[in-house]
Amino acid sequence: GQSLEQPSEVTAVEGAIVQINCTYQTSGFYGLSWYQQHDGGAPTFLSYNALDGLEETGRFSSFLSRSDSYGYLLLQELQMKDSASYFCAVRTGGGNKLTFGTGTQLKVEL
Amino acid sequence: NAGVTQTPKFQVLKTGQSMTLQCAQDMNHNSMYWYRQDPGMGLRLIYYSASEGTTDKGEVPNGYNVSRLNKREFSLRLESAAPSQTSVYFCAVPNPRQGTFSTEAFFGQGTRLTVV
Repeated sequence: GQSLEQPSEVTAVEGAIVQINCTYQTSGFYGLSWYQQHDGGAPTFLSYNALDGLEETGRFSSFLSRSDSYGYLLLQELQMKDSASYFCAVRTGGGNKLTFGTGTQLKVEL
Repeated sequence: NAGVTQTPKFQVLKTGQSMTLQCAQDMNHNSMYWYRQDPGMGLRLIYYSASEGTTDKGEVPNGYNVSRLNKREFSLRLESAAPSQTSVYFCAVPNPRQGTFSTEAFFGQGTRLTVV
């Protein structure tokens, strides 16, 4: 079947760097995406990796290793506003379904 | 997101009542999705529609029905609401500029449903 595994919670201090991992199992692969969701809000798209390697968007970077079925989201220079839940997502079901991981709650402390 | 509009934003139902959640998109994409999100949990796919007139079950379809009468709208119906259906419901549409199998999606603002 298909599944995405993420740590449930990560805590870090302001200004630090944090990495949120995602391992996936899916019968077909169309890329890995990351989303951010603040409490009470809707998920918003952060980044997408179709090929192996690192994609950088400002303070956020995302990495993919297709051979390891693994990716991570790297957040640098953490700010209090980065406190949120982060979800990885892949396509499953022959590409028709968009499936999300269980999410990682990031808490940024002073 | 302005491209995906959900109504209503909040709703309280009594057990056994029915209601329809509406979702409309202005991005002209073939695919639309309905998810539910429970506290501390991820987004679980209820139903999806790969194109106008077609619908398929996701992970948690029991107790729900959907309708995709046109390309723009995808509705989710609870025929007889149960407390277990208390949740936040999100509609989502893939980014049309990223191709059919994009993993980038836009979400509606959500419907917070409480069944008492």
